[in-house]
Amino acid sequence: AQSVSQHNHHVILSEAASLELGCNYSYGGTVNLFWYVQYPGQHLQLLLKYFSGDPLVKGIKGFEAEFIKSKFSFNLRKPSVQWSDTAEYFCAVSPRSNTGKLIFGQGTTLQVKP
Amino acid sequence: NAGVTQTPKFQVLKTGQSMTLQCAQDMNHNSMYWYRQDPGMGLRLIYYSASEGTTDKGEVPNGYNVSRLNKREFSLRLESAAPSQTSVYFCASSDGQGVGNIQYFGAGTRLSVL
Repeated sequence: AQSVSQHNHHVILSEAASLELGCNYSYGGTVNLFWYVQYPGQHLQLLLKYFSGDPLVKGIKGFEAEFIKSKFSFNLRKPSVQWSDTAEYFCAVSPRSNTGKLIFGQGTTLQVKP
Repeated sequence: NAGVTQTPKFQVLKTGQSMTLQCAQDMNHNSMYWYRQDPGMGLRLIYYSASEGTTDKGEVPNGYNVSRLNKREFSLRLESAAPSQTSVYFCASSDGQGVGNIQYFGAGTRLSVL
């Protein structure tokens, strides 16, 4: 069965620290990859996406993610976090054969201390 | 541009009561989705509608029904609410099933079943 696994459930960082959130998926075919963010009390927003091309993708607010096909991974990174990055982060995958199907990871709660 | 609008934002039900969660999108999207979000489990698909006039079960459809009223609106009904249905419910919409399909989410409905 297709699945998405996020390695960290709860991460606590100080401002200016670097961030890396792990995401691995299991699916044998071609996929689209996404990171969504949910700020406290708000709806899910698209942070960045990968469909094809350069495996290093840049999103909003200084976030980036790298698709490593051989490792089935799509890790999210930010060089220097801010207090306003406190949120829950979801990795999601959709098979290219059925892009209407979006499979989410469990989510990672990021708490940034000022 | 409101995007995806869900009503109500909060609801408390007693076991056995029924209710309908409403969702409307103004992006002229073909596909609409209902998810539930539970702690540590990410988002799980309840039902989806690939296009107006069609609906299909997702991962966790038991206890729910849906209606795609028109292209804009997709409602989720709980006929006899159970405590296990306490969750946050998200509606989403997307352009369709194409390669670059992206889902856009509403703000959510927080439902408690006592």
